[in-house]
Amino acid sequence: EPEVTQTPSHQVTQMGQEVILRCVPISNHLYFYWYRQILGQKVEFLVSFYNNEISEKSEIFDDQFSVERPDGSNFTLKIRSTKLEDSAMYFCASRTSGVLRNTIYFGEGSWLTVV
Amino acid sequence: ELKVEQNPLFLSMQEGKNYTIYCNYSTTSDRLYWYRQDPGKSLESLFVLLSNGAVKQEGRLMASLDTKARLSTLHITAAVHDLSATYFCAVVDSGGGADGLTFGKGTHLIIQP
Repeated sequence: EPEVTQTPSHQVTQMGQEVILRCVPISNHLYFYWYRQILGQKVEFLVSFYNNEISEKSEIFDDQFSVERPDGSNFTLKIRSTKLEDSAMYFCASRTSGVLRNTIYFGEGSWLTVV
Repeated sequence: ELKVEQNPLFLSMQEGKNYTIYCNYSTTSDRLYWYRQDPGKSLESLFVLLSNGAVKQEGRLMASLDTKARLSTLHITAAVHDLSATYFCAVVDSGGGADGLTFGKGTHLIIQP
């Protein structure tokens, strides 16, 4: 089965540092997402991305965050000047259009620990 | 603002029993998802429900959707230990062209032998 891959699986960073989380969506997918899950809490939507631009973002996704699709395969989430409260699991997700458009595939996640 | 409420949030049950998890949402939606999450793992897609009255079954799990009541249920039949996990429902707000999922808080399910 096709899968969304994420790197790194775990990263520890110091407060104030910049972090880039990387995702390789499924190859024929067109819609890309980032979600986060603080330990023990629910999954929260951050941003959706389509046709090389942000299509929707939540209140969490402030100026500290940015997304990019630097080439044809990677989709990145950058967190500038990390804060303690950014510690969470970050999930990348993707989906296609057409008949299978309603199935959203999630990656394994990247654990971010800010110390 | 779309709100998604699940109950119960925590459920401990014995193997062989039946139980139902409920998911209520506050606004019109044309897609409802159920996911399973094991500790420290990703989200595994269980069901996507798209229309009123939709019912889907996979093994011991069955999900249904009532869009008029804004309610979905996930029914577990003759539970087995392997079904222990956290179950999330998630909804897309169909107004305004939104695409992101709004998740419930999850139901932490423990099935004891």
